[in-house]
Amino acid sequence: GENVEQHPSTLSVQEGDSAVIKCTYSDSASNYFPWYKQELGKRPQLIIDIRSNVGEKKDQRIAVTLNKTAKHFSLHITETQPEDSAVYFCAASIEYGNKLVFGAGTILRVKS
Amino acid sequence: NAGVMQNPRHLVRRRGQEARLRCSPMKGHSHVYWYRQLPEEGLKFMVYLQKENIIDESGMPKERFSAEFPKEGPSILRIQQVVRGDSAAYFCASSPWASKNEQFFGPGTRLTVL
Repeated sequence: GENVEQHPSTLSVQEGDSAVIKCTYSDSASNYFPWYKQELGKRPQLIIDIRSNVGEKKDQRIAVTLNKTAKHFSLHITETQPEDSAVYFCAASIEYGNKLVFGAGTILRVKS
Repeated sequence: NAGVMQNPRHLVRRRGQEARLRCSPMKGHSHVYWYRQLPEEGLKFMVYLQKENIIDESGMPKERFSAEFPKEGPSILRIQQVVRGDSAAYFCASSPWASKNEQFFGPGTRLTVL
């Protein structure tokens, strides 16, 4: 089955700097890759996703890139703010209503 | 449009009791997924249901756990004879249609087994 690895497990950045979180997946059939942000005690919130027919997607300060050949995808957050501090999870799935397989999460701390 | 609803938000059970967790998907969503999150860990898939059908239960423990999504009413995750290791946050997510894979999560039920 699918296996998703996520790095780093913790990331501390200074406010205004960029943050990059990387994930690799094992199943070449996976073609949907969402990213979730989870604040302490709250629900995971979908912040951006990418499908395998697209190499990059951007939404304001957040961007995701996908390299299907290498089977890895990354989340990029620019101009980080203290409210970006949270746990970020990547996930992978085969499209058409299938389960999400999550990475272990990255604790992002933005220091002001 | 209300989001995914889960109740109760917190549930305390003693070992050996039953736990029932409820999930109402977003309006118009017919697909429900249950995930478990152990303390300081990621989310693990448990089961995927459509109305009156279990589509994928590959993540469900073989014993004590069951799930349903009846024609009317919320989806139910049932844990019989709970043990301390069942203590976790249980999240459900819903999606609108098989061709749209975005899953939106509920607030979770935090189960504590004493």
